[in-house]
Amino acid sequence: KAGVTQTPRYLIKTRGQQVTLSCSPISGHRSVSWYQQTPGQGLQFLFEYFSETQRNKGNFPGRFSGRQFSNSRSEMNVSTLELGDSALYLCASSSGQRAGETQYFGPGTRLLVL
Amino acid sequence: DQQVKQNSPSLSVQEGRISILNCDYTNSMFDYFLWYKKYPAEGPTFLISISSIKDKNEDGRFTVFLNKSAKHLSLHIVPSQPGDSAVYFCAASQQGAQKLVFGQGTRLTINP
Repeated sequence: KAGVTQTPRYLIKTRGQQVTLSCSPISGHRSVSWYQQTPGQGLQFLFEYFSETQRNKGNFPGRFSGRQFSNSRSEMNVSTLELGDSALYLCASSSGQRAGETQYFGPGTRLLVL
Repeated sequence: DQQVKQNSPSLSVQEGRISILNCDYTNSMFDYFLWYKKYPAEGPTFLISISSIKDKNEDGRFTVFLNKSAKHLSLHIVPSQPGDSAVYFCAASQQGAQKLVFGQGTRLTINP
C-alpha cells in the first residue's frame, strides 16, 4: 500500500497570506489527523477528521481550519499567516474505527512564513 | 501543561549496547502509548505500541515497558545500531481518540 502523501513538501508565504495544505491518507483509512511541529512547542495536535466530519480538535485559533472529502483526502487551511505559523505540518491516517489504533504519518509540509 | 514528558533531550550510546529511552505522563486517562522515530525532514515512523492492559510489548530489537503506577514507560533497543540514530518521540492517547499527545523527543546517537 502507498503511504500517506502530503503536498506541497515546502512552502514559503508572507505574513497575512493564507495557505492550503493537502493530505492523502493510506488507502482504506478514513481518519486523518493534522499536527504542527515547531522547535519550541514540539508536536501538537491540530484536529482530526473522520468521514468528512471534524471529530477532535486541539487548542489552535480559528485561523486553522480543515476539511475532508468523500475520498478521505483532507486539506488544512491557515488564514492570515503569522511568523509563528512557520512549522512542519504533518498529517497522519488510520482507519479511525478501533480504540488504540496506530496512526501513520506522512512526510510533512514545511511552511516558512516571512 | 505538558502531559507527556521526555526529560532527556539527548542520549548517546555505543553500538551494540542497550539504549533506554524514558517517558513520563501525568494523565491517568491515557490508555494507549506509542513510540515513533523521526529523521530530519521526514514524518515520524511508528515503532512499537502498548496498551494500558499490558506491561510489556516486544518487537524484534524493540521492547516497551509500561509502569502504570509510576506513569512511566520506557523503550529498550537491544542491540543498538548506527541506523537507530534519530529523534524518538513517545506519544499517548485516551479512550480510542485519534489524538496523540507527544513528548518533546529524545535525540539518540549511536556511536560506532
